[in-house]
Amino acid sequence: AQKITQTQPGMFVQEKEAVTLDCTYDTSDQSYGLFWYKQPSSGEMIFLIYQGSYDEQNATEGRYSLNFQKARKSANLVISASQLGDSAMYFCAMRERGSSASKIIFGSGTRLSIRP
Amino acid sequence: EAQVTQNPRYLITVTGKKLTVTCSQNMNHEYMSWYRQDPGLGLRQIYYSMNVEVTDKGDVPEGYKVSRKEKRNFPLILESPSPNQTSLYFCASSLLGESYEQYFGPGTRLTVT
Repeated sequence: AQKITQTQPGMFVQEKEAVTLDCTYDTSDQSYGLFWYKQPSSGEMIFLIYQGSYDEQNATEGRYSLNFQKARKSANLVISASQLGDSAMYFCAMRERGSSASKIIFGSGTRLSIRP
Repeated sequence: EAQVTQNPRYLITVTGKKLTVTCSQNMNHEYMSWYRQDPGLGLRQIYYSMNVEVTDKGDVPEGYKVSRKEKRNFPLILESPSPNQTSLYFCASSLLGESYEQYFGPGTRLTVT
């Protein structure tokens, strides 16, 4: 069965440091997509980065990169040079190709707090 | 502007009083979905739709109904709300396929007393 696990309920990081948010997943599908979303205190959900299961390179988007280790079924989000505006909840999500990519599951989230 | 809209944004109601939360998208997306967000549980999928007149249950469908009569609209119906449905609700839409990210509405905070 599909499952996403985020084991860090909360993290504190000093401004300008890099931070890694953990995400492990479980699926029997060979083709799937992994996503990270950010939810600031204002509540909206913001898409950050996508990694396809067949992508050989780790995805990068500006200061965000995804450390994808397929054999270990992990898709950790790395934020380089953290900023105060990075303080938010972060959710990992997965979408399988099976069932027409219809079901989407999310992890329980990690609350990241950046210290000045 | 490409967007997903939800109404109302905030709603306080009483147990048993039927309510509808509307959701509309202007991106011609086939896929639409409803989630509820509760502390410590992340987002859980309630219902989803892959096209007009095609809907299916997510992980937590009990107590909810949906319909998809038009491609742009996907209302969430609570026919007899109960206090355990107090939550933050998100509607989202996307193209169909495992590589497409979802676009989320602003959320609806529902309190059932």
